[in-house]
Amino acid sequence: DAGITQSPRHKVTETGTPVTLRCHQTENHRYMYWYRQDPGHGLRLIHYSYGVKDTDKGEVSDGYSVSRSKTEDFLLTLESATSSQTSVYFCAITRLAEYNEQFFGPGTRLTVL
Amino acid sequence: ILNVEQSPQSLHVQEGDSTNFTCSFPSSNFYALHWYRWETAKSPEALFVMTLNGDEKKKGRISATLNTKEGYSYLYIKGSQPEDSATYLCASSAEGGTSYGKLTFGQGTILTVHP
Repeated sequence: DAGITQSPRHKVTETGTPVTLRCHQTENHRYMYWYRQDPGHGLRLIHYSYGVKDTDKGEVSDGYSVSRSKTEDFLLTLESATSSQTSVYFCAITRLAEYNEQFFGPGTRLTVL
Repeated sequence: ILNVEQSPQSLHVQEGDSTNFTCSFPSSNFYALHWYRWETAKSPEALFVMTLNGDEKKKGRISATLNTKEGYSYLYIKGSQPEDSATYLCASSAEGGTSYGKLTFGQGTILTVHP
């Protein structure tokens, strides 16, 4: 347990609505990540952050944006949710001192109808 | 190899069987290789991190080896039990400041152990 919480844990929304997922960590880690889980693809990186207000795109960033105004919070926003964004979303932090070992939050299950 | 690749994609074994999976990763600019165990409806849990060529790690009935020169790692499970059923992910990380701690994950090997 790396002190990572995600909210909400489950959400059902409709196509076209904006959705924001929150990741909160308590250990003051600099690097944070958002992944989505897809069958046959394992975990795919959406966006990551390397400091407050410092973010960059991952491999599947289209349709997503992120913000990090405080070290402890990393927000993922789906600007206009689509059914293809139905997935389980995981937030993670890296412990650089442990060879970049990543620790994951409990996940958010998002269903877009 | 540009990506991290795992084989097989899925595996069904009987309780008591020993099994192994393969992870292939880019050998250039290598920093560390990670194995994770991922149970259904849970988050991935770290098993091992390995950094040196020839590294071997062991946790109970599970062990892993690393060959950084040829870019592969093996995960072994001895005497599989139904509770070993999970997806096993490997991930590599590259050295360098611009890596920002990112891991490149394979697609996973789904292990099902039948009683």
